Amino acid sequence: DQQVKQNSPSLSVQEGRISILNCDYTNSMFDYFLWYKKYPAEGPTFLISISSIKDKNEDGRFTVFLNKSAKHLSLHIVPSQPGDSAVYFCAASYINDYKLSFGAGTTVTVRA
Amino acid sequence: SAVISQKPSRDICQRGTSLTIQCQVDSQVTMMFWYRQQPGQSLTLIATANQGSEATYESGFVIDKFPISRPNLTFSTLTVSNMSPEDSSIYLCSVEDRRDSGANVLTFGAGSRLTVL
Repeated sequence: DQQVKQNSPSLSVQEGRISILNCDYTNSMFDYFLWYKKYPAEGPTFLISISSIKDKNEDGRFTVFLNKSAKHLSLHIVPSQPGDSAVYFCAASYINDYKLSFGAGTTVTVRA
Repeated sequence: SAVISQKPSRDICQRGTSLTIQCQVDSQVTMMFWYRQQPGQSLTLIATANQGSEATYESGFVIDKFPISRPNLTFSTLTVSNMSPEDSSIYLCSVEDRRDSGANVLTFGAGSRLTVL
């Protein structure tokens, strides 16, 4: 049973523009949401997280928004750069638990 | 963050054989996890490797198919037994890293891509 879903398998965006990645979840008990980035032949690397009690978290060019009533979160990348071309995974976890439930990922391609 | 080395990085295996994947961490860690990513799918947790005791398996994964060893705080192995083409996946080792605003962050190895013919 997939509790975290990324319904867009791919996204193409022009360099300098905004990338918006979406993620939906079914379990309202999740305490944290995380985004990971993965380059080919490398493991996923942590990007940014947000607590379920917040609605926004920002780190440089990356901002995550959480809409608990809609069970939806999004990652905004502004401005998009060629090095942002990667697969982005949304994940969710409970407090005091290292286990992560992942979405299937969205492949982002940033065009020059 | 911890640095994780996984071996092999990739392999092509014959149906019915078994393969052991090694995961070496450059520091002692309490929690080690094994994930699987089947083609086009999400990362799915196979088991938590516990030092000094048996691994804890997630629903749908069993010890006979995925035996795990954890002899010390820096090393673990995952064996994929009696492989079939459905076992073709990327297998990833991960460890506890840190907390980010309360969230528990994992660090991942580069993964082992297995293709079963």
